[in-house]
Amino acid sequence: LAKTTQPISMDSYEGQEVNITCSHNNIATNDYITWYQQFPSQGPRFIIQGYKTKVTNEVASLFIPADRKSSTLSLPRVSLSDTAVYYCLVGDEDTGRRALTFGSGTRLQVQP
Amino acid sequence: DGGITQSPKYLFRKEGQNVTLSCEQNLNHDAMYWYRQDPGQGLRLIYYSQIVNDFQKGDIAEGYSVSREKKESFPLTVTSAQKNPTAFYLCASSPGLAGAYEQYFGPGTRLTVT
Repeated sequence: LAKTTQPISMDSYEGQEVNITCSHNNIATNDYITWYQQFPSQGPRFIIQGYKTKVTNEVASLFIPADRKSSTLSLPRVSLSDTAVYYCLVGDEDTGRRALTFGSGTRLQVQP
Repeated sequence: DGGITQSPKYLFRKEGQNVTLSCEQNLNHDAMYWYRQDPGQGLRLIYYSQIVNDFQKGDIAEGYSVSREKKESFPLTVTSAQKNPTAFYLCASSPGLAGAYEQYFGPGTRLTVT
């Protein structure tokens, strides 16, 4: 099964840009990379998804190098409300279950 | 309002009793999922279903059972065989099997068994 590796925790201050990198050395050709955010006692929420290069939406950017063995979630100018756990998943429709492995995620703490 | 509902939010049971957690979606999604989350841990997959009347075991299916008789409903039964049932349970759905599709999560049910 494809495995992702993320830092266990990160600290930042309000207004800074935060970059969280996920390693996925065994990513398959058709796999997408998806990031979720989870607040305590809530279900995860979709942030962004990409296949290659760069994807940007109103919340974050996702940078994917050419070899696709890693990806970086970029949160611009974080606020206290961005304190949460962030999960990286890889997979596609055909690999199904492999894309459902959330791992332990990265716990981001934003301070004033 | 489209979404996923889970009920109840909090559930208390005595050890040895079976308990069924409800999950309903009105998003017309084909795929549905059940996850378990323990304090400070990530989500672990219990069961998933790609289509009505079909479901597959996830990583920790022992002690759990599911049914998918209707597209919009995917109830999870925690049986007395589950050794450590106290946890936060999350239901999700997606248009197709997740990977290429984002999952939409419900608010969760916190089950406490004493």
